[in-house]
Amino acid sequence: DIQMTQSPSSLSASVGDRVTITCRASQDIDNFLAWYHQKPGKVPKLLIYAASALQSGVPSRFSGSGSGTDFTLTISSLQPEDVGIYYCQKYNNAPWTFGQGTKVDFK
Amino acid sequence: EVHLVESGGGLVQPGRSLRLSCAASGFSFEEYAMYWVRQGPGKGLEWVSGISWNGNTRDYADSVKGRFTISRDNAKNSLFLEMKSLRAEDTALYYCAKDRLGSLGYFDYWGQGTLVTVSS
Repeated sequence: DIQMTQSPSSLSASVGDRVTITCRASQDIDNFLAWYHQKPGKVPKLLIYAASALQSGVPSRFSGSGSGTDFTLTISSLQPEDVGIYYCQKYNNAPWTFGQGTKVDFK
Repeated sequence: EVHLVESGGGLVQPGRSLRLSCAASGFSFEEYAMYWVRQGPGKGLEWVSGISWNGNTRDYADSVKGRFTISRDNAKNSLFLEMKSLRAEDTALYYCAKDRLGSLGYFDYWGQGTLVTVSS
């Protein structure tokens, strides 16, 4: 099975900072990658699908890139409501594996 | 508006069984693949199982294969997860999730979850 590895595992940043999270697949998954954000105590929310397509209603400060095995989620200007854990997920085929998550908080 | 409401969780002894349900509303349930995703206490997301719109295709994580069975009733807009031979490591919040567009394999709506605790 394909493994998904995120880095870093956690990061601390300031409001307005540019934040980048990476996700690496152990095999080529083309662009079949989604990103989710889970705020503390809340349900995960879909941010991005097809590696770079923004889900409806998601702020434009979020963007995704990559293809094949290496992917990136970027928050152009970190806002207070962006704290939480970010997960990548592959969906080229089952099993629909998630990365281990990247925790984002404020300095 | 899409609503997914899970039920059926609770405290169960190791080796016993439990059946989870998910009641769906606000969309054409019969047109979408559906999934179960779980999250252990303090842990990340783990995909558990998925079922195609017509129930013909069912997938399972290796960790639950042979013990869990996913099913659906399109007439009742309901998704189910039959869990047998439960283990302590199955303890988690179990989410029901909807496919974003048919059967793509990623999820645009999630329920609030139902908690399963496996302990003696």
